[in-house]
Amino acid sequence: TQLLEQSPQFLSIQEGENLTVYCNSSSVFSSLQWYRQEPGEGPVLLVTVVTGGEVKKLKRLTFQFGDARKDSSLHITAAQPGDTGLYLCAGGSNFGNEKLTFGTGTRLTIIP
Amino acid sequence: GAGVSQSPSNKVTEKGKDVELRCDPISGHTALYWYRQSLGQGLEFLIYFQGNSAPDKSGLPSDRFSAERTGGSVSTLTIQRTQQEDSAVYLCASRRRSPGGLDGYTFGSGTRLTVV
Repeated sequence: TQLLEQSPQFLSIQEGENLTVYCNSSSVFSSLQWYRQEPGEGPVLLVTVVTGGEVKKLKRLTFQFGDARKDSSLHITAAQPGDTGLYLCAGGSNFGNEKLTFGTGTRLTIIP
Repeated sequence: GAGVSQSPSNKVTEKGKDVELRCDPISGHTALYWYRQSLGQGLEFLIYFQGNSAPDKSGLPSDRFSAERTGGSVSTLTIQRTQQEDSAVYLCASRRRSPGGLDGYTFGSGTRLTVV
């Protein structure tokens, strides 16, 4: 069974601070996606990374896929209250595989 | 439609009753998934449909759970003889299958099921 552990589970920081969320596994994934979920809504895709070592930036968010494709990180610079939500990583086990394995989630709260 | 639609948005049922949850995927999306989310935590895979292929039912927690997808579009998740531990948010997602298979899921807003 493939497992994706996220850390920290909860994070509460002041507006303007930087933070990093981690997603780790002992399994290799062919792709890794990050989603953000707000209360009462389904998760929304933020990014997909597919190459070991790949870095993608989305405004103040930076996503990295580990060299061995077993882990990933999400770094947020100058956090804003709008960044508040549940962040989920999800791994795909092979290209064309249709079933993602979701991580345990990180609940982020940005305090104004 | 423009997005994935789930109904009802909330369902309260008595223990032992059967419930049906509905999902309308995005038109043209051939893959449809059901996940379960408890207490705002991670998502637990339940079942996956892809076109006319046999569904992947490997995540269904017991034989009380079943799902069907009619005409390659609308899907219904049925839970028979509900138990309190079935209380959760049930999320449906659809996905467009591209050659690289890298498209993300588009989720509905979920059905919050409460078994009392």
